Amino acid sequence: GAVVSQHPSWVICKSGTSVKIECRSLDFQATTMFWYRQFPKQSLMLMATSNEGSKATYEQGVEKDKFLINHASLTLSTLTVTSAHPEDSSFYICSVRGQLIMYGYTFGSGTRLTVV
Amino acid sequence: AQTVTQSQPEMSVQEAETVTLSCTYDTSESNYYLFWYKQPPSRQMILVIRQEAYKQQNATENRFSVNFQKAAKSFSLKISDSQLGDTAMYFCAFMKRFLLSGNTGKLIFGQGTTLQVKP
Repeated sequence: GAVVSQHPSWVICKSGTSVKIECRSLDFQATTMFWYRQFPKQSLMLMATSNEGSKATYEQGVEKDKFLINHASLTLSTLTVTSAHPEDSSFYICSVRGQLIMYGYTFGSGTRLTVV
Repeated sequence: AQTVTQSQPEMSVQEAETVTLSCTYDTSESNYYLFWYKQPPSRQMILVIRQEAYKQQNATENRFSVNFQKAAKSFSLKISDSQLGDTAMYFCAFMKRFLLSGNTGKLIFGQGTTLQVKP
């Protein structure tokens, strides 16, 4: 399966600033990556599908202008939380679909964002 | 739209015992995949087992096996000889099989079941 690196593992930022989270597919050219948000002891909520070379597809209710997604290359997708507020504090996870869809997905190790 | 339901928020099991986690789903699709993912305290999502809906044989991976009942839309996970390292949150997930227009292959997750293995 794919090897996925997500950075940073955790970040603390001040309210009103922006934070960028990177997701890299290290051994596989990923045309599609997914971004999730997870609150403690809850399930993963899909935020958007990141498509290489085109605009991301956002799930209903996700603010496109707050959560900017860029997938400029086949190995890198970034999620930028703009003008962060304390309610944006959460655990963010990216995932990459494997070369064979039947093998499911590989997930990054996640980023814990705390906005103070 | 597809939905996945895990009705057991929390479960516990004694080490070396067997435990079964339940999952039901709703879909009008006939071709799809089902997965069980594990999320230990590190929060790294790990694939435990997968099942292709067109295969009648239940998938097994070492101590992990599934009971796939397509007509009942049920996909339970059995963990045999439970180990302390099995302590984690377990998610059942659904994915359409074919990547067609409008199908990005996204995973649809259940609410999760927190499993505690006790020594």
